[in-house]
Amino acid sequence: GQQLNQSPQSMFIQEGEDVSMNCTSSSIFNTWLWYKQDPGEGPVLLIALYKAGELTSNGRLTAQFGITRKDSFLNISASIPSDVGIYFCAGQHRNDGNQFYFGTGTSLTVIP
Amino acid sequence: DAGVIQSPRHEVTEMGQEVTLRCKPISGHNSLFWYRQTMMRGLELLIYFNNNVPIDDSGMPEDRFSAKMPNASFSTLKIQPSEPRDSAVYFCASSRPGYTYNEQFFGPGTRLTVL
Repeated sequence: GQQLNQSPQSMFIQEGEDVSMNCTSSSIFNTWLWYKQDPGEGPVLLIALYKAGELTSNGRLTAQFGITRKDSFLNISASIPSDVGIYFCAGQHRNDGNQFYFGTGTSLTVIP
Repeated sequence: DAGVIQSPRHEVTEMGQEVTLRCKPISGHNSLFWYRQTMMRGLELLIYFNNNVPIDDSGMPEDRFSAKMPNASFSTLKIQPSEPRDSAVYFCASSRPGYTYNEQFFGPGTRLTVL
């Protein structure tokens, strides 16, 4: 299957700081998704990207679909304690049907 | 709108017992996915269905695992017999396939503990 490398694996930041994480793949994708998972819950969709170069925001979150179609990044500005969780990227190539490939996750800890 | 519904939320069973996990996808979604999440292996796709038909079951660990989707609003994942190494959180997700707007939405998961 496709390999998605997500980095960093974990982050410990002070409240108010900005956060940046990224995801790279070994092949091109047509869709990138970013999810957040809180403890004991399922992943919740944050942002969906469908076009190379696309930059999309959702509140303090901004994600971009890399121009090479092999990467994506997620930025969180002015972090707050409730941003704590695990963030996953997921990519899909339309020739693979509806299957998404998930990154290994970035664990974010925000220190008040 | 109701999201993906999974039951039970927690299941504790003894090795050798049969376990059945249930999922109701979002209405109108015709793709359904079963995932398993563990600390060691992360999120693994087990099987997915399009229009109730299994498309890719290559992620199913072994013959002890089986999944069915008898209709568009219900799916089950069965483990028989269960083993301690099956302990994990099992997620169901659904999507509306297409070139765009085909995001997957996850249920809350079933935490399975096999003693």
